[in-house]
Amino acid sequence: QSVLTQPPSASGTPGQRVTFSCSGSNSNIGMFTVNWFQQFPGMAPKLLIHHTYQRPSGVPDRFSGSKSGTSASLAISGLQSEDEADYYCATWDDRLRGVAFGGGTKLTVL
Amino acid sequence: EVQLVESGGDLVQPGGSLRLSCAASGFNISNYAMSWVRQAPGKGLEWVAGVRASDGIDFHADSVKGRFTISRDSSKNTLFLQMNSLRAEDTAVYYCAESTYGNYIESMDVWGKGTTVIVSS
Repeated sequence: QSVLTQPPSASGTPGQRVTFSCSGSNSNIGMFTVNWFQQFPGMAPKLLIHHTYQRPSGVPDRFSGSKSGTSASLAISGLQSEDEADYYCATWDDRLRGVAFGGGTKLTVL
Repeated sequence: EVQLVESGGDLVQPGGSLRLSCAASGFNISNYAMSWVRQAPGKGLEWVAGVRASDGIDFHADSVKGRFTISRDSSKNTLFLQMNSLRAEDTAVYYCAESTYGNYIESMDVWGKGTTVIVSS
């Protein structure tokens, strides 16, 4: 059971805007910034968003992050077929004294 | 070029021990937060352990506390994960990851390719 809750699946069509939710609590998202990772099958994860809103160099501005209270979201605009992957949220958890990952959301591009 | 290369993964019997290594190049691991993250077959990501850059304080997930220990050797620029009392549920690909964002262990922006640990009799 993950500390951060993500829906197991999401889908969209090319060009569409999709959002992923990540629900936590006061000891994690409520206190700290949120990170988002993208992972393709058989590959290492890649950091997409750090500190809730920031994109590392090279990440397209189609990807954006936000947070409200104890929940965070990742949005992908102008969906492309190559965006089909698993997406994970992660943040520090003050109660666990460690990093908490969400269970991940599998994105299917129809 | 910044790079992380893990090694040490193997097939080990339950109750056994293993030490994973993560050789870093292109940067000094003492200056950055480092972590081990694992992924069991068909499952999601699970953070295992991390060490802060500024003070070297380490943290471990409850699932491995008392059995696994993260450490670093600055002279070798290598991160380690000593794993004792291994269980079947420790079977996973183990990734080494670095955060260039100060002490933010959770903002892992450089990852290795992973090394596989299988715990089975």
